[in-house]
Amino acid sequence: SYELTQPPSVSVSPGQTARITCSGDALPKQYAYWYQQKPGQAPVLVIYKDSERPSGIPERFSGSSSGTTVTLTISGVQAEDEADYYCQSADSSGTYDVVFGGGTKLTVL
Amino acid sequence: QVQLQESGPGLVKPSETLSLTCAVSGYSISSGYYWGWIRQPPGKGLEWIGSIYHSGSTYYNPSLKSRVTISVDTSKNQFSLKLSSVTAADTAVYYCARDPSGGAAAGSNWFDPWGQGTLVTVSS
Repeated sequence: SYELTQPPSVSVSPGQTARITCSGDALPKQYAYWYQQKPGQAPVLVIYKDSERPSGIPERFSGSSSGTTVTLTISGVQAEDEADYYCQSADSSGTYDVVFGGGTKLTVL
Repeated sequence: QVQLQESGPGLVKPSETLSLTCAVSGYSISSGYYWGWIRQPPGKGLEWIGSIYHSGSTYYNPSLKSRVTISVDTSKNQFSLKLSSVTAADTAVYYCARDPSGGAAAGSNWFDPWGQGTLVTVSS
C-alpha cells in the first residue's frame, strides 16, 4: 500500500522557521494537504492543494512541492504552533483515495 | 458555518458491530459534497475509513472495505458508519468530516471541517 513518510519530530525556537517534510512516490502527480492537531482536539486543515491556505489560517503557514517531497513551512513560529502535523495525499491511480502520513510532532523550544 | 457531531456507543464488545452517526448542521447534505470518516488509535496517526457522496456513492479504504458500511440519511441530515467484527485494534477516536472538494479523482479530496471526535473502545 502507498505510504507518505514524515519525520517523527521537529524542534525550533520561537521566531524561527520550521519546515516539516512529507515524502511519497506519487507526490509529483498528486496534491498534498496538511493538518494541524493539538492535544485532545480534532485536526484542522492548514494547507490544501500543495500551497493554498484556507481562510482563517495565519499567513506564516505555507506549503510547497518539489518532486517527491512536499514541505509545510511555518515562519516566525509561535508557542501556539506546537502540535502534531499530518500530510495527506493519494496514490497516483484510480478514484477517491486518501492516505495520511505518520505525523510530525512540532516542539517549540 | 457547517458543524459536525459524532454520536454512538463508547464501548463495543469484540466481534460485534460498531455503529456511529454524524449529525451535520449549518449545511444540507443533499446540497452536495462528500462526507467522510477518519479514525485515530490512541497515541497513533490518522487513518481514512471511507467517504460517501450525498447521492449515496461510497469509497472505502481497501484495508477496511470488507467490514465497513457508510450510509447517508438526507432527511435527518446525517451520515453513519458501521464497522463489523471489531477487535481491540479498532479502538480509536472516530472523526467525521466534510470533504469540500466536490470530486472523486484520486488526490483531489481533503477534509474540512472535522467533528470533535468520539472515542470508541473495543473490550469485553
